[in-house]
Amino acid sequence: DAMVIQNPRYQVTQFGKPVTLSCSQTLNHNVMYWYQQKSSQAPKLLFHYYDKDFNNEADTPDNFQSRRPNTSFCFLDIRSPGLGDAAMYLCATSGLAALTDTQYFGPGTRLTVL
Amino acid sequence: TQLLEQSPQFLSIQEGENLTVYCNSSSVFSSLQWYRQEPGEGPVLLVTVVTGGEVKKLKRLTFQFGDARKDSSLHITAAQPGDTGLYLCAGAPSGTYKYIFGTGTRLKVLA
Repeated sequence: DAMVIQNPRYQVTQFGKPVTLSCSQTLNHNVMYWYQQKSSQAPKLLFHYYDKDFNNEADTPDNFQSRRPNTSFCFLDIRSPGLGDAAMYLCATSGLAALTDTQYFGPGTRLTVL
Repeated sequence: TQLLEQSPQFLSIQEGENLTVYCNSSSVFSSLQWYRQEPGEGPVLLVTVVTGGEVKKLKRLTFQFGDARKDSSLHITAAQPGDTGLYLCAGAPSGTYKYIFGTGTRLKVLA
């Protein structure tokens, strides 16, 4: 049973054309994360939500925005995609058990920018 | 700032060999996770280690958490081609929910 769902799995957009990636979870976890992963690299944290509290990484470009309308859903908006934004985008969640926090990942959305 | 360093970055071995991957930090983590990721897929959780000095075994994989909870290792016995993939350690430094990933170890097991 899928616990973290990402849609679409593959997204193609044009240079400068806004795109939205979505993530939903059935785990009722408080924390949701968005990562960017480029080929052969480790995932890089873009931002995370602790409930509705938004936490942006200092080096996340302004081009990237996020919304979390409720516990289950989180969106990644890329306002003006550039060629360098082509990557795999991973959504993850974690709960509040302080010592055993584990992240659960979705399958990712691979973004292509033409 | 990368807080989790993995070594080696790349490893190519023959089927049947043993290997160890290391994950090191100067920060204390309340827990560390190990993931394996295959191309085009999200990371899949292998194990979470929580207690300093803890050793967990998952078939041919042995995970160890350092006594000071700053480092971890993954040992694979008798590697198989199906073990090929990107191995990632990850965790949130104590007192935070900000998960970070290690630099990754790309393993290739040749038949």
